[in-house]
Amino acid sequence: GENVEQHPSTLSVQEGDSAVIKCTYSDSASNYFPWYKQELGKGPQLIIDIRSNVGEKKDQRIAVTLNKTAKHFSLHITETQPEDSAVYFCAAAPYNAGNMLTFGGGTRLMVKP
Amino acid sequence: DSGVTQTPKHLITATGQRVTLRCSPRSGDLSVYWYQQSLDQGLQFLIQYYNGEERAKGNILERFSAQQFPDLHSELNLSSLELGDSALYFCASSAGLVSGETQYFGPGTRLLVL
Repeated sequence: GENVEQHPSTLSVQEGDSAVIKCTYSDSASNYFPWYKQELGKGPQLIIDIRSNVGEKKDQRIAVTLNKTAKHFSLHITETQPEDSAVYFCAAAPYNAGNMLTFGGGTRLMVKP
Repeated sequence: DSGVTQTPKHLITATGQRVTLRCSPRSGDLSVYWYQQSLDQGLQFLIQYYNGEERAKGNILERFSAQQFPDLHSELNLSSLELGDSALYFCASSAGLVSGETQYFGPGTRLLVL
């Protein structure tokens, strides 16, 4: 089955700096890669996703890149703000397994004011 | 607010007991997913239902079972509970069965087994 590895597990940045979180996946059948943000006491919330026919996607301060050959994808947050502090999860879903998500281990992002 | 509701928010019980967690999907969504989030295992997929039928199974223990009712709400039953079952249990929903559909997560049920 799919295996997703995520790093770093914790990331501390100054407000205004950029943050990058990286994930690798193992199943070449995976074609959908969402990123979720989880704040304390809440469920994961989708912030951006990318499909395997696209190399990069941007939404304001958030961008995701995908390298299918190397089987890795990354989340980039620019101009970080204290409210970006949360746990971020990457996930992967193979095209042939319904919509089942395999999650990475999570990254705790702390943005210092 | 994702539109997915879960009850109860918190549950404290003893080893050996049985509990039922409930989930109502977003209006119009036919697929329901259950995930377990523990400190050592992260977020793990348990099971998926689509329009009342089981569609996919992950690392779900035999002591756990689920069902989806005609009104599309779902219940996750956990029996013969062990200390290690203490975790956050999330329900998510999506429109259908297509790979790449957004899954919307509920707020979770925190289970503590003493």
